[in-house]
Amino acid sequence: EAGVAQSPRYKIIEKRQSVAFWCNPISGHATLYWYQQILGQGPKLLIQFQNNGVVDDSQLPKDRFSAERLKGVDSTLKIQPAKLEDSAVYLCASSSRTGPNEKLFFGSGTQLSVL
Amino acid sequence: AQKITQTQPGMFVQEKEAVTLDCTYDTSDPSYGLFWYKQPSSGEMIFLIYQGSYDQQNATEGRYSLNFQKARKSANLVISASQLGDSAMYFCAMREGLPGNQFYFGTGTSLTVIP
Repeated sequence: EAGVAQSPRYKIIEKRQSVAFWCNPISGHATLYWYQQILGQGPKLLIQFQNNGVVDDSQLPKDRFSAERLKGVDSTLKIQPAKLEDSAVYLCASSSRTGPNEKLFFGSGTQLSVL
Repeated sequence: AQKITQTQPGMFVQEKEAVTLDCTYDTSDPSYGLFWYKQPSSGEMIFLIYQGSYDQQNATEGRYSLNFQKARKSANLVISASQLGDSAMYFCAMREGLPGNQFYFGTGTSLTVIP
């Protein structure tokens, strides 16, 4: 079974530039998450999709971050314009259902450095 | 209030010894799941073990066991016979049954196994 695919693996940009990350979840997984993990901290949820609908985006800085999940499969997270504090690893995860016992499967993440 | 609390930023253990990583959680939902993930320096989050709130017995997965004390709201991870490859960040996480089945992570514990 193929895992969660993310690209790019690394990205270096200057502040005020824009950047996009892509995620392809495990086939058949209805729920998709984007997490931001700042160095030394635990992952923080940015947005949660159920199929192509948004379940929770309460912690997404909507003035600069946007995300979409067209057709309920792969997803794109965009930052425009980027700030220095956006330097972090962006993790995509998916799960097949939303029951309390359903674990998350993670991709390898995209490490973003904003200079 | 923090949903997941990990009070040990860093831990050291001698190779072949056992180590306990602490985790406490906070929820009023009677149905929830508790998870431990390992994050090596490569960055990928690796699922280790799961404990359901209604499970009567402590979960075990090979060298990993979860010391679940429901009344104290603690879910400590025990790693027996530590190996050098166990050196990594360890995250405790919780998934509540309702309403949006968010996945909450702690701040992590950095484990270093000493030869």
